Amino acid sequence: AQTVTQSQPEMSVQEAETVTLSCTYDTSENNYYLFWYKQPPSRQMILVIRQEAYKQQNATENRFSVNFQKAAKSFSLKISDSQLGDTAMYFCAFMKQSGSYQLTFGKGTKLSVIP
Amino acid sequence: GAVVSQHPSWVICKSGTSVKIECRSLDFQATTMFWYRQFPKQSLMLMATSNEGSKATYEQGVEKDKFLINHASLTLSTLTVTSAHPEDSSFYICSARRPTGESSYNEQFFGPGTRLTVL
Repeated sequence: AQTVTQSQPEMSVQEAETVTLSCTYDTSENNYYLFWYKQPPSRQMILVIRQEAYKQQNATENRFSVNFQKAAKSFSLKISDSQLGDTAMYFCAFMKQSGSYQLTFGKGTKLSVIP
Repeated sequence: GAVVSQHPSWVICKSGTSVKIECRSLDFQATTMFWYRQFPKQSLMLMATSNEGSKATYEQGVEKDKFLINHASLTLSTLTVTSAHPEDSSFYICSARRPTGESSYNEQFFGPGTRLTVL
């Protein structure tokens, strides 16, 4: 079974600053996907960024980037130039590349962007 | 594209009644849909995996007779909470997987959720 650990229950960042959210995972799989989802107060889950485990290059989506360390089983999310709209719960998630395509979520990090 | 809707968005019911929640993929066919439960300030907990035309696979600890799941078509899955009690009050979220072979690989698209309150 897979586990996903987010060790930071809450974080805050000043608007326009940079923040990094941590995520570690445990799996015996070699091929898998990792995701960061955002859940704003509306509670709609929004995909922020994804990483395929076979890719060494870290994924980037505009202000969002990841630091994927496969050997260390670490997958952190960096948010640059933080905006008020980034205030949300952020969930790290794991999916095996084959099988049931289930997502395993971490417990989440509540991020507050302070004006 | 890749929109998933849920209906209703909020429902209040009396204890002992049954409530049906619908999950629809609006612009793609979803062979697999997932149902999650989320308690306040907690993460999403997978309840069951629903495959079109077959019985749902429930996670350990989820009562299949309490939470009836039907995936009758490639665009619709329903979750029926039978004989609901106050402890069933929660936020229920569905997601739909767009099959491989289309533009996105194994991404799950989430519905907006349904808030269930049982009095």
